[in-house]
Amino acid sequence: AQSVTQLDSHVSVSEGTPVLLRCNYSSSYSPSLFWYVQHPNKGLQLLLKYTSAATLVKGINGFEAEFKKSETSFHLTKPSAHMSDAAEYFCVVSFGGFKTIFGAGTRLFVKA
Amino acid sequence: GAVVSQHPSRVICKSGTSVKIECRSLDFQATTMFWYRQFPKQSLMLMATSNEGSKATYEQGVEKDKFLINHASLTLSTLTVTSAHPEDSSFYICSARTSGSQNEQFFGPGTRLTVL
Repeated sequence: AQSVTQLDSHVSVSEGTPVLLRCNYSSSYSPSLFWYVQHPNKGLQLLLKYTSAATLVKGINGFEAEFKKSETSFHLTKPSAHMSDAAEYFCVVSFGGFKTIFGAGTRLFVKA
Repeated sequence: GAVVSQHPSRVICKSGTSVKIECRSLDFQATTMFWYRQFPKQSLMLMATSNEGSKATYEQGVEKDKFLINHASLTLSTLTVTSAHPEDSSFYICSARTSGSQNEQFFGPGTRLTVL
């Protein structure tokens, strides 16, 4: 069965410190993987995507993610958090061009 | 990048009335559109998938007679919430995908529905 798990419901960091948001997936197929960000009462914005090219994917706003097939993970990182990064982040997995599954989301809090 | 719009962004209606939400792909043709529902502080739940010119495929537990979806053209899909009740209050988000987009979906900004 296909699934996606975001390991933390919320993460709190101080401004200027690194961010790590964890995502694991389960799939029988080669997945496409995405990270989206959602600010309060807003739609989703694509941060980055992995579609079987380079395993280290760079996205917008300084975010990047590494696809690790052996660990079935696609964790999102950023070297230095900014106050404007506070939002909800969703890991999304798409299988075979048909099914898209959203993770439960991780709320990122950034302290001044 | 590809742009998807939704109209209206917010709607408040009385219980028992019907509400139509439009989803448009502005600069590309969307062979497939999706409708999601998001409850407060929760993830998105896929409601249905629609392909232009054919009937929508609803996810388990979604009432097709209550949530009417029409994908009349390659740039427009509509979701009609019929006989809305307060429990239908939610954030509804659509997305669109082209045949060559490598599984990427482009999301609309969402519609906040409040049923009084």
